[in-house]
Amino acid sequence: ETGVTQTPRHLVMGMTNKKSLKCEQHLGHNAMYWYKQSAKKPLELMFVYNFKEQTENNSVPSRFSPECPNSSHLFLHLHTLQPEDSALYLCASSPSGGGDYNEQFFGPGTRLTVL
Amino acid sequence: SQQGEEDPQALSIQEGENATMNCSYKTSINNLQWYRQNSGRGLVHLILIRSNEREKHSGRLRVTLDTSKKSSSLLITASRAADTASYFCAVRVVGTYKYIFGTGTRLKVLA
Repeated sequence: ETGVTQTPRHLVMGMTNKKSLKCEQHLGHNAMYWYKQSAKKPLELMFVYNFKEQTENNSVPSRFSPECPNSSHLFLHLHTLQPEDSALYLCASSPSGGGDYNEQFFGPGTRLTVL
Repeated sequence: SQQGEEDPQALSIQEGENATMNCSYKTSINNLQWYRQNSGRGLVHLILIRSNEREKHSGRLRVTLDTSKKSSSLLITASRAADTASYFCAVRVVGTYKYIFGTGTRLKVLA
């Protein structure tokens, strides 16, 4: 256990559905991240929040909508997804977004399948 | 593309042998980190080296960093079957909150 939990662990949704992924960290960190991991591709950073403010949006399509209500919780709202969005979505946290000693702690991921 | 690249893509060794994997990147960095991932699960942080450091050790791990060549290597000594996993390098891009991950090396340690 890394102190970062993600729910659900598995999600199957149709292209017209709306669903949300949830991430919670119990580490007292101030930065949180969403990553996408597709088969045979490097881990792709999607969003970064530092002290609840979005500091990075890596040109992510608007069908992915993040929300960070506080430093412990991060959501990824999904709507009208495409089959190519099927992937493992990983959440991570770190003490802060800046600084030189910021290792990231990852959750177990949500395996998303879009039909 | 700013993505890092790692080589080899896959490595198979016998238990007790050393494993070396390399990472190259293209951007200016604050630090470089190595992570391990078991079978499509979350990543586990192994070691971080700052841009002004050249070498770092942690248990059986040794990391080197050459910022002039924009490359790093991870050495795992006396490997064990439990070291079987994918290993990724990640760089924190200077002046940003962005991390760029490499393509990963799949290590298999045979008992």
